[in-house]
Amino acid sequence: SQQGEEDPQALSIQEGENATMNCSYKTSINNLQWYRQNSGRGLVHLILIRSNEREKHSGRLRVTLDTSKKSSSLLITASRAADTASYFCATAGGTSYGKLTFGQGTILTVHP
Amino acid sequence: DTAVSQTPKYLVTQMGNDKSIKCEQNLGHDTMYWYKQDSKKFLKIMFSYNNKELIINETVPNRFSPKSPDKAHLNLHINSLELGDSAVYFCASSRGQGLSYEQYFGPGTRLTVT
Repeated sequence: SQQGEEDPQALSIQEGENATMNCSYKTSINNLQWYRQNSGRGLVHLILIRSNEREKHSGRLRVTLDTSKKSSSLLITASRAADTASYFCATAGGTSYGKLTFGQGTILTVHP
Repeated sequence: DTAVSQTPKYLVTQMGNDKSIKCEQNLGHDTMYWYKQDSKKFLKIMFSYNNKELIINETVPNRFSPKSPDKAHLNLHINSLELGDSAVYFCASSRGQGLSYEQYFGPGTRLTVT
């Protein structure tokens, strides 16, 4: 069954604005990862946050994790047209086999 | 240099045919994966190999058979193709099979069954 669920399903903003995407999951996790997928391409890893971490930054990306609420958020600051893509959260936990369970993604459109 | 490559990029075939998709990674990773992404963008793991050994085998019809001739290659063979097999198939790799490794994805193979 699907573990992560992203919200919103689609987000449309103007360049320069911030974009926030949320992910909720159901079972306990070891870590949570965010990936980006440009149209017609494979997924690209953005950031990994472990279950004992609350916040992580990478460039214009900020990820938070609240294990008590089983949720995570991805914030992209000062968005650019090139950030237009689908963003997926993926959870890992329960086994040691590296199995990632993906949500259905948020489609982000950044208008120039 | 492409880190994870897949061939072909597009595959159009008729129901009942047998087809293969090939994947190669030049990252020196030990673990490789096959994912299926449906029309609603839902991405689901199918198989995973670590050092040529099958470690994840999700509930996938046995018409799908992965083969790993060496740890840099993971191929997917599909027998008796059905309309519902139409999807984008992604290969991925990671440094290890543990939980804390990021995965590197190939560009995908869009399979259309008519």
